[in-house]
Amino acid sequence: KQEVTQIPAALSVPEGENLVLNCSFTDSAIYNLQWFRQDPGKGLTSLLLIQSSQREQTSGRLNASLDKSSGRSTLYIAASQPGDSATYLCAVRPVRPPETSGSRLTFGEGTQLTVNP
Amino acid sequence: DTAVSQTPKYLVTQMGNDKSIKCEQNLGHDTMYWYKQDSKKFLKIMFSYNNKELIINETVPNRFSPKSPDKAHLNLHINSLELGDSAVYFCASSQFAGGIGETQYFGPGTRLLVL
Repeated sequence: KQEVTQIPAALSVPEGENLVLNCSFTDSAIYNLQWFRQDPGKGLTSLLLIQSSQREQTSGRLNASLDKSSGRSTLYIAASQPGDSATYLCAVRPVRPPETSGSRLTFGEGTQLTVNP
Repeated sequence: DTAVSQTPKYLVTQMGNDKSIKCEQNLGHDTMYWYKQDSKKFLKIMFSYNNKELIINETVPNRFSPKSPDKAHLNLHINSLELGDSAVYFCASSQFAGGIGETQYFGPGTRLLVL
């Protein structure tokens, strides 16, 4: 059974710092990995999706890496801003033939990030 | 324009009642999902429909019954509500059920409180 762990559970940094959020998963047989952002009282917003064949994806100040063999992904946030304060969730999709089986994402518990001005 | 919308946003009800939550997506996606986020903020998939057909049905009490009248809508009906059903329920959609690199788009959530 796939388990996803995110460390740290909470992180507080001053504005402008570069930071790394960690995600690990127990079963390396994944199809893709997604990073989401959840603001308090709101839904999830997809930030980056990395396919199993990729090593990293970048979007603006965000960079996500994937090391499938070791079961790890990191989300790097450059020059953090107060607006980055949110809970960051990673989720993995298992490889499960046939592909019509649906996208059964397994989520980590999230890292709650606070960026202080 | 709201991509994935849910109603109601908040739902407070008594134990034993029956309630429904509605979800609609205007993205033209084929697949829709229901997730439950518990008090510890842990998200877990409950159901998924692809073109109105149920394709994922996790271990969920049969008091929960999803219904998809068309591929743009996925509703969740809950019978005989229990205290433990209190959670935030998220609807999501993706373009494909399978395929390479599908991204899931989430609704704002329905906060259910059972008293």
